[in-house]
Amino acid sequence: SQQGEEDPQALSIQEGENATMNCSYKTSINNLQWYRQNSGRGLVHLILIRSNEREKHSGRLRVTLDTSKKSSSLLITASRAADTASYFCATDALNAGNNRKLIWGLGTSLAVNP
Amino acid sequence: GAGVSQSPSNKVTEKGKDVELRCDPISGHTALYWYRQSLGQGLEFLIYFQGNSAPDKSGLPSDRFSAERTGGSVSTLTIQRTQQEDSAVYLCASSFIARETQYFGPGTRLLVL
Repeated sequence: SQQGEEDPQALSIQEGENATMNCSYKTSINNLQWYRQNSGRGLVHLILIRSNEREKHSGRLRVTLDTSKKSSSLLITASRAADTASYFCATDALNAGNNRKLIWGLGTSLAVNP
Repeated sequence: GAGVSQSPSNKVTEKGKDVELRCDPISGHTALYWYRQSLGQGLEFLIYFQGNSAPDKSGLPSDRFSAERTGGSVSTLTIQRTQQEDSAVYLCASSFIARETQYFGPGTRLLVL
């Protein structure tokens, strides 16, 4: 399977609920980043977590990193309709040629219903 | 400006024509990336510039695609002899440190008829 895979592919929740998205990767990483994209335009950086960190918070966002499981999760608490977007993870990882590359997942589409 | 800008916002062209897409990164950012995104899909890496190093062109889908970055700042992505499958949003991003926080432009939506 592909490096930087998010799951689920799509998530639909009610306003006020929490949303959890996961990202898995295969090789060692220096950092993992989460981005949000509205309406197919430019992405907005949310959080960068380094390989020696386990958890980071930013407002209603909480990111965890488990390097033993090679996975990260993004938790959005008390979701709002404005959180409706696609969420992508990117890893600074080793590619097949053993070079450092920024590798992107395919994204999770989140719909928050009012 | 404070952010990454791209021009044009939208481009409609006929199959076979050449197009040029422009990206103005944030001043001082040494790393610049081009991506392509088809409707409802993830990001497809195209090319990466880092300082004065040779660019990483490993993502360019064919030799019809090329990019340059003049003076370590503005970048132009050129697509020659466009095909309908080139239709997509082309996104540019820059970062201060390679492979760390990227700042994206709004993208250029290309439609090849």
